[in-house]
Amino acid sequence: EAQVTQNPRYLITVTGKKLTVTCSQNMNHEYMSWYRQDPGLGLRQIYYSMNVEVTDKGDVPEGYKVSRKEKRNFPLILESPSPNQTSLYFCASSLLGASGSYNEQFFGPGTRLTVL
Amino acid sequence: AQSVTQLDSHVSVSEGTPVLLRCNYSSSYSPSLFWYVQHPNKGLQLLLKYTSAATLVKGINGFEAEFKKSETSFHLTKPSAHMSDAAEYFCVGAGGGADGLTFGKGTHLIIQP
Repeated sequence: EAQVTQNPRYLITVTGKKLTVTCSQNMNHEYMSWYRQDPGLGLRQIYYSMNVEVTDKGDVPEGYKVSRKEKRNFPLILESPSPNQTSLYFCASSLLGASGSYNEQFFGPGTRLTVL
Repeated sequence: AQSVTQLDSHVSVSEGTPVLLRCNYSSSYSPSLFWYVQHPNKGLQLLLKYTSAATLVKGINGFEAEFKKSETSFHLTKPSAHMSDAAEYFCVGAGGGADGLTFGKGTHLIIQP
């Protein structure tokens, strides 16, 4: 089954304790992205990647890191989490169309993170 | 740079009446535009997409949207609302290249019985 998986689905942690949220897709998609969703703000893009070893900042990259060593995986790293990073996080992937245009994004189920 | 504006944070309609969710965009490029739906405690699902092949786009569950370049709009409509349509709806723009994707802030659709 074609899907995007995220782990963990729920995480409660404390300020400053490094964490990683994994994202994996089995559709051979070039494009992968991380979003955070907060009430009243919709989804905001954190980082995205157009292909292996190619990553770019989205709208809200501060406090986050990503890597794209393999095509299928795109982990999100919080080196020193803070309470303002409490949010619902979504990973997504898609094929890239001609001239780098965007196709349908497939979303993971979400990771609800609470930083105390 | 591009922006996507959903004009209503909440829309309430009665079951069986038409639905209109409004979205305006601005982009330096000819955009790709999408509508996604998010049901409670679920991920996002694609409803429909516009990629310049046709200005009227039909999606799943009876939804459709019309791209109007002169008005820079991409409003989502459905002739008759169903209770199962109650959800959050996101308009998304893609300018291409390094612009990435831009999400609107969402419209919460409420269906009254």
